[in-house]
Amino acid sequence: KNQVEQSPQSLIILEGKNCTLQCNYTVSPFSNLRWYKQDTGRGPVSLTIMTFSENTKSNGRYTATLDADTKQSSLHITASQLSDSASYICVVSALGTNAGKSTFGDGTTLTVKP
Amino acid sequence: EPEVTQTPSHQVTQMGQEVILRCVPISNHLYFYWYRQILGQKVEFLVSFYNNEISEKSEIFDDQFSVERPDGSNFTLKIRSTKLEDSAMYFCASSRTGGSYNSPLHFGNGTRLTVT
Repeated sequence: KNQVEQSPQSLIILEGKNCTLQCNYTVSPFSNLRWYKQDTGRGPVSLTIMTFSENTKSNGRYTATLDADTKQSSLHITASQLSDSASYICVVSALGTNAGKSTFGDGTTLTVKP
Repeated sequence: EPEVTQTPSHQVTQMGQEVILRCVPISNHLYFYWYRQILGQKVEFLVSFYNNEISEKSEIFDDQFSVERPDGSNFTLKIRSTKLEDSAMYFCASSRTGGSYNSPLHFGNGTRLTVT
């Protein structure tokens, strides 16, 4: 069964600090992995996408890494801001499935405090 | 930037009543989806819709649920006889193509359904 596990479940950091969120998956055959940011009460918004051939991808202060061999990904947030407080969701797609039926992780809830 | 819009933002209904949740996907998108998120839980796939028919659905999407694209812009989710456990946030999403790499999902801000 395709699964996506994220850790930690929640994280509290001080404004300006860095943090790293983890995602492990068992989705096969692997197509791609996306990180989404979900603000409270709003829909998820795509941050990055990675295929098996990509190790690192950045989007501003967000940097995602992928190790397709160990089936792990991380999302690193640099110099956190209060607006980074949100849930971060790892979503993994299998080859041959449409975009919608991807496997969602439970998310990591990040709280950035002043 | 074009957005997926959902109405209403909050719907309260009594158990056993029918509800229709409405969505206007991004205009040049061809694939449409419904998801639900029970409070504190992960986002769950319900159904995908392409070319005026359901392309995939999950085990959650039973006979109580139906989807429709009644005109060129709206995409609706109907729950025929609501149950308490249908209380959740329902997200509509659309994508330009069905392939997940080049075409991210664009989500609306959801309809919070409360069944009493």
